[in-house]
Amino acid sequence: EDQVTQSPEALRLQEGESSSLNCSYTVSGLRGLFWYRQDPGKGPEFLFTLYSAGEEKEKERLKATLTKKESFLHITAPKPEDSATYLCAVQGDSGGGADGLTFGKGTHLIIQP
Amino acid sequence: DTEVTQTPKHLVMGMTNKKSLKCEQHMGHRAMYWYKQKAKKPPELMFVYSYEKLSINESVPSRFSPECPNSSLLNLHLHALQPEDSALYLCASSQVRGQGSPLHFGNGTRLTVT
Repeated sequence: EDQVTQSPEALRLQEGESSSLNCSYTVSGLRGLFWYRQDPGKGPEFLFTLYSAGEEKEKERLKATLTKKESFLHITAPKPEDSATYLCAVQGDSGGGADGLTFGKGTHLIIQP
Repeated sequence: DTEVTQTPKHLVMGMTNKKSLKCEQHMGHRAMYWYKQKAKKPPELMFVYSYEKLSINESVPSRFSPECPNSSLLNLHLHALQPEDSALYLCASSQVRGQGSPLHFGNGTRLTVT
């Protein structure tokens, strides 16, 4: 069974204070690891897909990296508008409803001005 | 703005009502999904359609009935729901089922069962 664990559960940063969110996973045959951002009352917004260890993706102040056991979402010089819940999900050969996604519980990020 | 459109945004229904949630995408995706999300929890998969055929039914109660009229539309028919079914119902689509294809979500229907 695929499993995803995100840490920390919540993180409060000052504006401009860089940090990293962690996503540890176990999966049978990784097809993809996904990062999403979710604002209150909205659906998850797709950010990145990572497919193999060593891969990195960047978008504005966000950078996602992947190893064989975990992924990091690095946030550089965050702004208040980066406040959201960040969800990590995996898709494996046999888990997550066999082609759906297995989600972690998310990291609730607050950026204070 | 999301490219997956869900209606209505909010729905309040009694336990004896019948209602339907609707979802539409025009990205040419051939897989569509229904997820349920409770407050402060991650989304949970309910149904998957691939090329308009139901691929996975995650043992969801029969009071939820999905329908995929064509490759762009997805419905979720609701009947005799319970208060614990109150949640955010999310529709998503992907280019194909599996194969590392990312899911794109709509903004959901906030359902309250009274």
